[in-house]
Amino acid sequence: DQQVKQNSPSLSVQEGRISILNCDYTNSMFDYFLWYKKYPAEGPTFLISISSIKDKNEDGRFTVFLNKSAKHLSLHIVPSQPGDSAVYFCAADGSGNTGKLIFGQGTTLQVKP
Amino acid sequence: EPEVTQTPSHQVTQMGQEVILRCVPISNHLYFYWYRQILGQKVEFLVSFYNNEISEKSEIFDDQFSVERPDGSNFTLKIRSTKLEDSAMYFCASTGAWGVSSYNEQFFGPGTRLTVL
Repeated sequence: DQQVKQNSPSLSVQEGRISILNCDYTNSMFDYFLWYKKYPAEGPTFLISISSIKDKNEDGRFTVFLNKSAKHLSLHIVPSQPGDSAVYFCAADGSGNTGKLIFGQGTTLQVKP
Repeated sequence: EPEVTQTPSHQVTQMGQEVILRCVPISNHLYFYWYRQILGQKVEFLVSFYNNEISEKSEIFDDQFSVERPDGSNFTLKIRSTKLEDSAMYFCASTGAWGVSSYNEQFFGPGTRLTVL
């Protein structure tokens, strides 16, 4: 049951360039989306989120775009830095009031100096 | 900065044995969660807990699993009779009340790696 999909297992970009990570979902009832970042041997760390009533949310170098008609969201990191190298998970919350998050498979981002 | 802590960091057990994974959520949080990640797979929701009861659980969370908040600080996950396929990284998470600015921002612990032999 892959309600949240990240079709690119890995992405490599040059330092200073833009990183674009993509995520697709199938359930139109999802009302909140989040991106988490994960380093090896650590738990996921919240990065940025977006409500389904918006189409863009920006926080510093990170911007999330939501296209509800396409059931697609993307995370843009500009400029990319070597410290951004990590696994990025897209997650959706469609639980209503329990906070259950449904995660994608993750995309490993490598930013080369 | 407050953080979620988990113990132990690594637990090795024999198949059929009981294990208890422990978590200390952030102190003023009200909602608590367990997730797991089998090696190479996605992070999967197991259970959510609020007001001393389970609010939602996944298909994975069968009768072998239970959760408890025995005091005001700890949140535990018990697996009664472990199976080989229970080997995974188990993450505890917590979040505050709904409606505040950090709505849905769940804070995750570092995880406990469970190895069932």
